Amino acid sequence: QVQMVQSGAEVKKPGASVKVSCKASGYTFTDYYLHWVRQAPGQGFEWMGWVNPHTGGTNYAQKFRGRVTMTRDTSITTAFLDLSSLRSDDTAIYYCAKDSLPVAGSSANFDFWGQGTQVTVSS
Amino acid sequence: DIQMTQSPSTLSASVGDRVTITCRASQDSSGSLAWYQQKQGKAPKLLIYDASSLENGVPSRFSGSESGTEFTLTISSLQPDDFATYYCQQYRGYPYTFGQGTKLEIK
Repeated sequence: QVQMVQSGAEVKKPGASVKVSCKASGYTFTDYYLHWVRQAPGQGFEWMGWVNPHTGGTNYAQKFRGRVTMTRDTSITTAFLDLSSLRSDDTAIYYCAKDSLPVAGSSANFDFWGQGTQVTVSS
Repeated sequence: DIQMTQSPSTLSASVGDRVTITCRASQDSSGSLAWYQQKQGKAPKLLIYDASSLENGVPSRFSGSESGTEFTLTISSLQPDDFATYYCQQYRGYPYTFGQGTKLEIK
């Protein structure tokens, strides 16, 4: 069965960086885009971007360009989200989510999600 | 960006009721819309994709429809397990955007 297991909660100071991991299993990791989505406290969802696990190619939301890096390690079927220059409004739950269709016909709706990683930015 | 305006923000209903949640897109989304259910402290669950296609394993009481830039999620007969928050998401254009959510409460 498909599983997406994320790393644990993080507390960071403003200006620091955070790296969140997402270990995927139960499907062919390189066949599906891996998206990152965040949810601020009491708020809706914000799509941050995707990584193509096959090529390493990425597409980031304009809002996060320059501060975000999405990578993957195919040997351990794990994707990573790096977010730098953290601010208090980056406090959120960060989710990885698997695209529902293979890369060739990517749909950008998300059929499996990680459990979420709480990132708290506080001085 | 395509803005998704979801309504109502809160909906009170009883078991057995038929309920409808609406999402209006600021631009044509051409059927590229998904609906998710989220329960407190959990990740979202995909219910509907491509505006009206039911995800595998989702009960048939859930359905979706599209009319122009307006999308609708209908639950035909509410069950106790359905009380949760529902979100729409468009994937017609970057950045992918979500509605603000509808919290479905027990009346």
